[in-house]
Amino acid sequence: DAKTTQPTSMDCAEGRAANLPCNHSTISGNEYVYWYRQIHSQGPQYIIHGLKNNETNEMASLIITEDRKSSTLILPHATLRDTAVYYCIVRAPMDSNYQLIWGAGTKLIIKP
Amino acid sequence: NAGVTQTPKFRVLKTGQSMTLLCAQDMNHEYMYWYRQDPGMGLRLIHYSVGEGTTAKGEVPDGYNVSRLKKQNFLLGLESAAPSQTSVYFCASSYGGGTDGYTFGSGTRLTVV
Repeated sequence: DAKTTQPTSMDCAEGRAANLPCNHSTISGNEYVYWYRQIHSQGPQYIIHGLKNNETNEMASLIITEDRKSSTLILPHATLRDTAVYYCIVRAPMDSNYQLIWGAGTKLIIKP
Repeated sequence: NAGVTQTPKFRVLKTGQSMTLLCAQDMNHEYMYWYRQDPGMGLRLIHYSVGEGTTAKGEVPDGYNVSRLKKQNFLLGLESAAPSQTSVYFCASSYGGGTDGYTFGSGTRLTVV
């Protein structure tokens, strides 16, 4: 079973911030939160990851709650090209089990 | 910089036929992975490799074999294809164990009839 829970789908207006929630209430102390997205059956694309501090890169921001039981991926100015399935995954970086547990993700639809 | 390249992109096999999927990466990554993705589902790990000459089983290895003779290539073989192996196959690579994320190929869509 996936270690994370995400809404099945979300809509967002083009140009607005898209906020994608993820629940990971059973996360362990050494597990990071990773976000990937998959655009129209292409290969998944790495977005961002974090442990407990908020992180930002050129693609998105990641906000992790203080208790680390949930997080939010923020796409600051969503475009039509951001329409994709977004996956939230938790994993310990040095885990010798390299299997990422992929849930069903959130289908984000950006509307004009 | 091509990243991760998968060949072929599409293939139709008859039950019982064999084939090899090729994955090549030009990022000098040590780790490589093969995943399958069935409709509406997340990815599942088939096999992986932590370096040239090494392979290991993932979550769903049955019916597949792999080889990593060269650092840049990771081959996935189906010896006797079955309809249950109809899926989209993704190869990925990473520097180290994927701490900074994985780079995925564009996928191979395989249909077994």
